[in-house]
Amino acid sequence: IAGITQAPTSQILAAGRRMTLRCTQDMRHNAMYWYRQDLGLGLRLIHYSNTAGTTGKGEVPDGYSVSRANTDDFPLTLASAVPSQTSVYFCASSVYYEQYFGPGTRLTVT
Amino acid sequence: AQSVTQLDSHVSVSEGTPVLLRCNYSSSYSPSLFWYVQHPNKGLQLLLKYTSAATLVKGINGFEAEFKKSETSFHLTKPSAHMSDAAEYFCVVSPTTSGTYKYIFGTGTRLKVLA
Repeated sequence: IAGITQAPTSQILAAGRRMTLRCTQDMRHNAMYWYRQDLGLGLRLIHYSNTAGTTGKGEVPDGYSVSRANTDDFPLTLASAVPSQTSVYFCASSVYYEQYFGPGTRLTVT
Repeated sequence: AQSVTQLDSHVSVSEGTPVLLRCNYSSSYSPSLFWYVQHPNKGLQLLLKYTSAATLVKGINGFEAEFKKSETSFHLTKPSAHMSDAAEYFCVVSPTTSGTYKYIFGTGTRLKVLA
């Protein structure tokens, strides 16, 4: 592993289903983030974590939850997916002001 | 409160001509400012960053940006556009120069480079 990995790469999900997007980093960064990217809206912060064991809400947290059991992993869960959660999701970590991004997960909720 | 405004959603330039992507910010604190680039179907890559040091910041691939506090601007420039510069560019503000805080993204500027 080098940097940040995300899984799956893409997913089509039926509305109402539960889904966990996975994010793993091998850089030992304390801070991690989840963003969603929608056309014309840029990236919007969903949740963040400053260090293992702590999480915080971003700009658009409703319908999403996160956990941070250890430094490397930061999964994002959609408890009951809705079509408005169709988006591209990026995980990121940061150190010394610089953010490092994963390749993204393209999620379509039908 | 912090915010960032990218003044152009689309910019088209001819190959070999200068590039100017405009960004204005608002921050209650001394901000850190960044430009990221995203090529199609890819993640974001840091181009350059300003963190209260030199106001003229040089980045990768010939890009640079100047922090102007009086104008609350952080415009991205490049003297000569290359076809490979075609991408989406995001201006980002962070309200602190230390620690781990929320980054606020602009809505992006899509750069098109014409042959």
